[in-house]
Amino acid sequence: KNQVEQSPQSLIILEGKNCTLQCNYTVSPFSNLRWYKQDTGRGPVSLTIMTFSENTKSNGRYTATLDADTKQSSLHITASQLSDSASYICVVSGEAGTALIFGKGTTLSVSS
Amino acid sequence: GAVVSQHPSRVICKSGTSVKIECRSLDFQATTMFWYRQFPKKSLMLMATSNEGSKATYEQGVEKDKFLINHASLTLSTLTVTSAHPEDSSFYICSAGPATGINQPQHFGDGTRLSIL
Repeated sequence: KNQVEQSPQSLIILEGKNCTLQCNYTVSPFSNLRWYKQDTGRGPVSLTIMTFSENTKSNGRYTATLDADTKQSSLHITASQLSDSASYICVVSGEAGTALIFGKGTTLSVSS
Repeated sequence: GAVVSQHPSRVICKSGTSVKIECRSLDFQATTMFWYRQFPKKSLMLMATSNEGSKATYEQGVEKDKFLINHASLTLSTLTVTSAHPEDSSFYICSAGPATGINQPQHFGDGTRLSIL
């Protein structure tokens, strides 16, 4: 069964600290893995998208990694800011024409 | 960058009312759009795939007569919740992506908060 599992479910960190969110998937075949940020009451916004051959991709203070062999991805947030408080969703795309598979998200709270 | 606009952002109405939600791709054409439903603190749940010029494809358990989808042009898909009841209250989100390439990101609308009294 195609699944995407994220951990931790929630996380609280102090402003300025770094954190890493995890994503494991069992989707096969695999096309790409995406990380989205969803603020409360808003739609998800794309942070990164990585294909099978990409190991890492950065978007400002966000750095995503992908290990297609172990089917694991991480999202590292550097020097967190209060505005980073949101839900971070890992989404995996299988073969063309199939639906995206969503993780349940990690809720990050950054406090001052 | 690519933008998907969703309207309205919030609807409050009485039970039995039908509600239409619009999803527009503003700077690209989308032959396919997706409609999701999201419950509080839960992930997005795909309801249906909207195909321009043809019938929508519904996920298992989603009533097609309850959630009517029309994709009349390459930039507009609509979801109509017919005879809405309190259990239909939820956050509805659409997404679309450029037709070229599976590795293009899906762009999401900002969602519609539907509250049925």
